[in-house]
Amino acid sequence: QKEVEQNSGPLSVPEGAIASLNCTYSDRVSQSFFWYRQYSGKSPELIMSIYSNGDKEDGRFTAQLNKASQYVSLLIRDSQPSDSATYLCAVNRGSTLGRLYFGRGTQLTVWP
Amino acid sequence: EAGVTQFPSHSVIEKGQTVTLRCDPISGHDNLYWYRRVMGKEIKFLLHFVKESKQDESGMPNNRFLAERTGGTYSTLKVQPAELEDSGVYFCASSQDFLGDEVSYNEQFFGPGTRLTVL
Repeated sequence: QKEVEQNSGPLSVPEGAIASLNCTYSDRVSQSFFWYRQYSGKSPELIMSIYSNGDKEDGRFTAQLNKASQYVSLLIRDSQPSDSATYLCAVNRGSTLGRLYFGRGTQLTVWP
Repeated sequence: EAGVTQFPSHSVIEKGQTVTLRCDPISGHDNLYWYRRVMGKEIKFLLHFVKESKQDESGMPNNRFLAERTGGTYSTLKVQPAELEDSGVYFCASSQDFLGDEVSYNEQFFGPGTRLTVL
């Protein structure tokens, strides 16, 4: 079983729609959760971090964490073509210091 | 504020040669990480420096890989001798000190990566 699993996609949504990206993780002691956005050939860009159960909103982005279900998601409201990228879920298990475990990423396409 | 920088952006070498990658973290970040993404796979951890000390090197694939962080500033990752399976994108990331509570607040900022091709 992989540490972090994401639907590989691709996920395609029309402009203005809500894009929903999902991620599950295997280790219950995981403490910190991150979403990175990566454009083709570019570096992963941190867009959201979440540490507590519930929702965290930042602009058009909402991260949701459910530790009991070992599930974290990212919602993108009012999706724009510029949101088209690969979204990476990353998890830090507090027991392993700063090391991040990544999923393979979900490719999102927002079409106009 | 400058972000994480890496050099070179691309490197093409032949099997058996040596390559050295460099990473300059964000100024003031004590934590520096190396990751690697092999084609078709997820980004995987290689090692973690805190200042000049290796905190966790459990992700290093074998002894052909040597990482150093001189004076707790920039870091180098040397692959000697390179093998075909070493091809991939090598990312460096940095973060500030962890906060002093039970949760690891560890927002890592990534550099643009070095794409290594071993022929």
